[in-house]
Amino acid sequence: EAGVTQFPSHSVIEKGQTVTLRCDPISGHDNLYWYRRVMGKEIKFLLHFVKESKQDESGMPNNRFLAERTGGTYSTLKVQPAELEDSGVYFCASSRLAGGHTDTQYFGPGTRLTVL
Amino acid sequence: QKEVEQNSGPLSVPEGAIASLNCTYSDRGSQSFFWYRQYSGKSPELIMSIYSNGDKEDGRFTAQLNKASQYVSLLIRDSQPSDSATYLCAVKLPHFGNEKLTFGTGTRLTIIP
Repeated sequence: EAGVTQFPSHSVIEKGQTVTLRCDPISGHDNLYWYRRVMGKEIKFLLHFVKESKQDESGMPNNRFLAERTGGTYSTLKVQPAELEDSGVYFCASSRLAGGHTDTQYFGPGTRLTVL
Repeated sequence: QKEVEQNSGPLSVPEGAIASLNCTYSDRGSQSFFWYRQYSGKSPELIMSIYSNGDKEDGRFTAQLNKASQYVSLLIRDSQPSDSATYLCAVKLPHFGNEKLTFGTGTRLTIIP
């Protein structure tokens, strides 16, 4: 079974540009999560999809961030326009079940975003 | 006060010894607790989960939970150089629909051959 995949692995852009990150969850996982780790800080939750619906987007920092999951499969996270403080590693995770103890979140390798 | 606190380390342990990693959390309502291992540049990988007070053992790993003290720990017995990684503590609240994990900053563990 393939794990969570993310693309690209690295992205370097200039302030004001747009970047789109992609996450492909494990096949059959309805739950998809985005997290971010800013240098020196802990991994922080951004949002949670159940299939194509946003279940919880309480962690999204501002309206420059837009997440989509059309069709309930892969997800994209767009940052427009990017700011310096958006630099960090963006992780995607997926899980099969929700609302129970047995829900294990499997993480992807992350996309390292650098905004210059 | 941070929601989940860990000593950032680095923690150095001789090969074959027991490595002890600690984590405290602030929300008494937290019900699910996880330890993830992350090698540099790789995905966080779940190694232990614990939900009830006491100890849970899996191979060389033992997770310990004390809800009264809001404390969760991970013991690694017979430490191996391959255990060198960053260990992330994460907690989750029990509310249906609130599935987010809250992480600590992680403890960097180095096993010295």
